[in-house]
Amino acid sequence: EPEVTQTPSHQVTQMGQEVILRCVPISNHLYFYWYRQILGQKVEFLVSFYNNEISEKSEIFDDQFSVERPDGSNFTLKIRSTKLEDSAMYFCASRSGQASYEQYFGPGTRLTVT
Amino acid sequence: DAKTTQPTSMDCAEGRAANLPCNHSTISGNEYVYWYRQIHSQGPQYIIHGLKNNETNEMASLIITEDRKSSTLILPHATLRDTAVYYCIVRSRPGTASKLTFGTGTRLQVTL
Repeated sequence: EPEVTQTPSHQVTQMGQEVILRCVPISNHLYFYWYRQILGQKVEFLVSFYNNEISEKSEIFDDQFSVERPDGSNFTLKIRSTKLEDSAMYFCASRSGQASYEQYFGPGTRLTVT
Repeated sequence: DAKTTQPTSMDCAEGRAANLPCNHSTISGNEYVYWYRQIHSQGPQYIIHGLKNNETNEMASLIITEDRKSSTLILPHATLRDTAVYYCIVRSRPGTASKLTFGTGTRLQVTL
């Protein structure tokens, strides 16, 4: 069964450094998402992406965040200058089409900012 | 999106049916009820969705009351692998963006 994959599974970085989290959505899916979950808290929406542009973003997704689909298969989340409070699990998700009700989530990347 | 209320936690014996309730009294006519679950910090997993009719798939059944103000997710024969946090989400039909707004969910513990 096709699945969303994410790399790395765990990333440790120092405050102020840039990180790029990578996702490979399910092939032929058209809608892509990033969510995050701080330890012990809710899963929070960050951004949705369709047709090579952001379709919606949350207040969390400020100028320090950016997303890209550089090559038609990968979907990346970049944090330019990480803060301690960016430490969280980051989940990528994809959806096949506009009429599809189901989002498929990846296993997540645990980001630890020290 | 309408607000949902779920119990914080529930226990269920393995092999028995797990019935997880959700209240969504402010649901509007075009909003669907979705259920997802999250097994121990893994990515959330879609279970089922419905509008007003009861729905069943290979994972679960969804029973929606006639007034649509509440629903119940039923796992007919719970196993230890069903231990997870279950999220009831109410939102409109999917569109271009279709973000999911997760609450705190119900932590289901399945025991021997």
